[in-house]
Amino acid sequence: NAGVTQTPKFRILKIGQSMTLQCTQDMNHNYMYWYRQDPGMGLKLIYYSVGAGITDKGEVPNGYNVSRSTTEDFPLRLELAAPSQTSVYFCASSYTRVADTQYFGPGTRLTVL
Amino acid sequence: AQRVTQPEKLLSVFKGAPVELKCNYSYSGSPELFWYVQYSRQRLQLLLRHISRESIKGFTADLNKGETSFHLKKPFAQEEDSAMYYCALRHGGATNKLIFGTGTLLAVQP
Repeated sequence: NAGVTQTPKFRILKIGQSMTLQCTQDMNHNYMYWYRQDPGMGLKLIYYSVGAGITDKGEVPNGYNVSRSTTEDFPLRLELAAPSQTSVYFCASSYTRVADTQYFGPGTRLTVL
Repeated sequence: AQRVTQPEKLLSVFKGAPVELKCNYSYSGSPELFWYVQYSRQRLQLLLRHISRESIKGFTADLNKGETSFHLKKPFAQEEDSAMYYCALRHGGATNKLIFGTGTLLAVQP
């Protein structure tokens, strides 16, 4: 199993551009999550999904959108990039909701100039 | 409000010395706590969780509800323990959302 994969690894955007961060997992996990990690800060939850077709907001959802059309994929969309969205983005998945291990992707480092 | 506090950004120790990475939490219910670790150039991964009461790579962590703490300990640090350590609290409800602390960088000197 590849686990959780994320693309791209790095990206530089100009203010106002849009992009989609891809996340795929091959473990048949129901739960998927998007976090962002700013320098010197912990991970903060952006959006999460408890199954295909179901998504919900986390702590910091503004400026982002997600979709979950399949169990495997959970893309994160930035519509109008802003410098405040410069961060490292992590996707994660877990099988159940009951204190289960979350498996993380390698991260995407995004810079908005 | 639910919160996880890791007061130390950096902890530097010598090889063979004891290690204690501090974690305090704020949570109104019955907490479920985890330690995640990120080694250099690797992804974030689970180290241990309090419900398992396990020892992984020589690390242990005991939940102290009275002090609202979940400190990570190891009696003899090894150079390969150098990494970023995050304490996390499971948010209650119908999901498996985690609230992370800001992390502590453990540097084990030879």
